[in-house]
Amino acid sequence: AQSVTQLDSQVPVFEEAPVELRCNYSSSVSVYLFWYVQYPNQGLQLLLKYLSGSTLVESINGFEAEFNKSQTSFHLRKPSVHISDTAEYFCAVSVRNTGFQKLVFGTGTRLLVSP
Amino acid sequence: SQTIHQWPATLVQPVGSPLSLECTVEGTSNPNLYWYRQAAGRGLQLLFYSVGIGQISSEVPQNLSASRPQDRQFILSSKKLLLSDSGFYLCAWSWGQGTDTQYFGPGTRLTVL
Repeated sequence: AQSVTQLDSQVPVFEEAPVELRCNYSSSVSVYLFWYVQYPNQGLQLLLKYLSGSTLVESINGFEAEFNKSQTSFHLRKPSVHISDTAEYFCAVSVRNTGFQKLVFGTGTRLLVSP
Repeated sequence: SQTIHQWPATLVQPVGSPLSLECTVEGTSNPNLYWYRQAAGRGLQLLFYSVGIGQISSEVPQNLSASRPQDRQFILSSKKLLLSDSGFYLCAWSWGQGTDTQYFGPGTRLTVL
């Protein structure tokens, strides 16, 4: 079965600094990968996803993630964060297989951006 | 476009009381539906999912149950709430085989006292 590891439970960073949120997965078959963002007391919103094609995917608000098959990683990066990026970020994986598949979520990383 | 609704938004219930949380999806048909729970400071726990009317799969044994009486309606219930049932409950939907994006509702904050 697949699993997702987000090693950092919390990442503090100053405004306008770069940030990387780490995500590693384990799976014996090909995967689809996702990053979701959750603002306080709200549901999760899709930030970006990798299904196929280019291994570098971008979101509309400046985040990007790169699928690295050899390292089984899908780290999320932003070159310059804003206060408004403060939120919890979840990495998720599903597998390319027949039949119904579920998303498996990591435990989340809380990004804290301070001025 | 598709929208997902949850109600109530917040709920405070005494221990031992019943529970009913409702989730509805608009703008799509035959969606996969999911119930998740977030306990304070913890990640997402998948409770139930459904691929069709009357088809419910349970992920974690507990005192909660789920039902899908209509194609786009998903209900989470309990006969007697426990303190440990407190948390943030999220409903989500997806298409097809479940491998692609899940779309989440706004959530229900449940406090059991």
